[in-house]
Amino acid sequence: NAGVTQTPKFQVLKTGQSMTLQCAQDMNHEYMSWYRQDPGMGLRLIHYSVGAGITDQGEVPNGYNVSRSTTEDFPLRLLSAAPSQTSVYFCASSYREAGNEQFFGPGTRLTVL
Amino acid sequence: GDSVTQMEGPVTLSEEAFLTINCTYTATGYPSLFWYVQYPGEGLQLLLKATKADDKGSNKGFEATYRKETTSFHLEKGSVQVSDSAVYFCALSDGSGGGADGLTFGKGTHLIIQP
Repeated sequence: NAGVTQTPKFQVLKTGQSMTLQCAQDMNHEYMSWYRQDPGMGLRLIHYSVGAGITDQGEVPNGYNVSRSTTEDFPLRLLSAAPSQTSVYFCASSYREAGNEQFFGPGTRLTVL
Repeated sequence: GDSVTQMEGPVTLSEEAFLTINCTYTATGYPSLFWYVQYPGEGLQLLLKATKADDKGSNKGFEATYRKETTSFHLEKGSVQVSDSAVYFCALSDGSGGGADGLTFGKGTHLIIQP
């Protein structure tokens, strides 16, 4: 099992550009989520999904879109990047019997100029 | 809403010293509590967890006890090593989403162990 994988590892964007951060998991987990990590802020939940076709907003959803067409994939879209979205992004997955434990990917470091 | 407060670092200790990282929480109901560790350049890994009051989680020499009366989940280790240098996050899940709606994290504590 590869676990949770994220691509790319690093990305630099200009203000106003769009891009998609990819996240995939091969553990057949029902639940997936996206967090952003900022210095002194810990991790904050952006969006989450309880299964294919179902998504919901977390604490900081503005400026981000998600979709969940398959169990395995949960991409995060930035429609018009802003410098405030410079951060490290983590994808995580979980399942009902996991006792709320989250399994994290290695992260994507995004810089918006 | 839910919140987690943990001591902010950096915390610098000498090898073999005793470690305590404080964590307190605010949540409705009976949350599950977690400690995650992040080594440089990596994602977060679960270190230990506790799902009900008075439970003790332990792993790799680290321990934390779920204290409902003080709403705390302090992380301890009797003798730290240089390899324990990392950022440690305390987190909770209040269970309202059945585990699907993610965790609430503290801001993280950067631990530096000097040889």
